[in-house]
Amino acid sequence: AQTVTQSQPEMSVQEAETVTLSCTYDTSESDYYLFWYKQPPSRQMILVIRQEAYKQQNATENRFSVNFQKAAKSFSLKISDSQLGDAAMYFCAAISGNTGKLIFGQGTTLQVKP
Amino acid sequence: ETGVTQTPRHLVMGMTNKKSLKCEQHLGHNAMYWYKQSAKKPLELMFVYSLEERVENNSVPSRFSPECPNSSHLFLHLHTLQPEDSALYLCASSRTLRQSGNTIYFGEGSWLTVV
Repeated sequence: AQTVTQSQPEMSVQEAETVTLSCTYDTSESDYYLFWYKQPPSRQMILVIRQEAYKQQNATENRFSVNFQKAAKSFSLKISDSQLGDAAMYFCAAISGNTGKLIFGQGTTLQVKP
Repeated sequence: ETGVTQTPRHLVMGMTNKKSLKCEQHLGHNAMYWYKQSAKKPLELMFVYSLEERVENNSVPSRFSPECPNSSHLFLHLHTLQPEDSALYLCASSRTLRQSGNTIYFGEGSWLTVV
């Protein structure tokens, strides 16, 4: 079974600064993908970034990047130059190629201070 | 706009009512999902449909009844719910099921309050 754990219920960052959100996962499968989703107050779940487990290179999308440590089963999200619009709940998630089921962590609420 | 539309956005219903949540996706996807998001709980996968066939039912009480008439539409029929069923219900879709690399796209959710 897959599990995803986010140990930081809340984080805060000053506008324009950098923040890192932590995520660990556990899976016995070799074929899986990892995701970070953002859920703003509107509740729309928005895909931020995804990482293929077979790729060693860390995924990057503009100000968002991940630090994927496969051996440690760690998948953290770094947000650079934080903006007020980044304030949201962030969910780490994992999907298995075998089951197609997307499993979420508990979420981290990010506050961005002006 | 992700191409997944849910209606209604807000629903208040009594415990004896029958209502339905509707989801429609305009992405040409073959797999659709219902998730439940309660306060202080991780998102819970409820049902999975692939090509209109239910392939997953995660021990969901029978007062929740899904229906997938075609690959673009998914319903969640609600009957004799309990107050603890109050939550945000998220619909999602993906191109296929059980294919690695599938990105799942979500709707905006339907807020359900059971009184």
